[in-house]
Amino acid sequence: EAAVTQSPRNKVTVTGGNVTLSCRQTNSHNYMYWYRQDTGHGLRLIHYSYGAGNLQIGDVPDGYKATRTTQEDFFLLLELASPSQTSLYFCASSPDSSQNTLYFGAGTRLSVL
Amino acid sequence: GQQVQQSPASLVLQEGENAELQCNFSSTATQLQWFYQSPGGSLVSLLSNPSGTKHTGRLTSTTVTKERRSSLHISSSQTTDSGTYLCAIDPAGGYKVVFGSGTRLLVSP
Repeated sequence: EAAVTQSPRNKVTVTGGNVTLSCRQTNSHNYMYWYRQDTGHGLRLIHYSYGAGNLQIGDVPDGYKATRTTQEDFFLLLELASPSQTSLYFCASSPDSSQNTLYFGAGTRLSVL
Repeated sequence: GQQVQQSPASLVLQEGENAELQCNFSSTATQLQWFYQSPGGSLVSLLSNPSGTKHTGRLTSTTVTKERRSSLHISSSQTTDSGTYLCAIDPAGGYKVVFGSGTRLLVSP
């Protein structure tokens, strides 16, 4: 079973604050993703990556940066957090195959006050 | 853009009843997955079914690709089936998986 670990699990910050969400997968998957989940919107893709050093823009990238430092590690950065970024964030990975099955982390609940 | 619509938005059942969840998508999909999200928020993949019928345990998924629809049938529902069921597609030619808003299922004893 693929293992995707997110940290922290919960985070509270203030408007304008700087937040980094971390994700590590230990299954040698090439693809990693950051999603946010909000009521009424389902999961929306923020950024994704094909491999170390690669970054692709998702569907809702504004206000977010991401960095893939290694094959295992994918970070999501909020440099000036806003209340609209209060959400449940999921990281996911998938193997380099046509099936493209997603394996999710447990999620990070972020509150921006 | 790609859209995934799920129905019903919510469903309440008595334990033992069957559930039928629908997923319609507006673009060609090379992959279709059903996910379960627990009330606590964790997400797990239930099955991948880009076409045809697939069974796993009490779950049966039927996808008709040319009609751009998929269904998930849960037989003999249990209280532990309560949660949100998400449909997701992988549009042809891309790796950006697109999710529906989900069906929230509540199974009461």
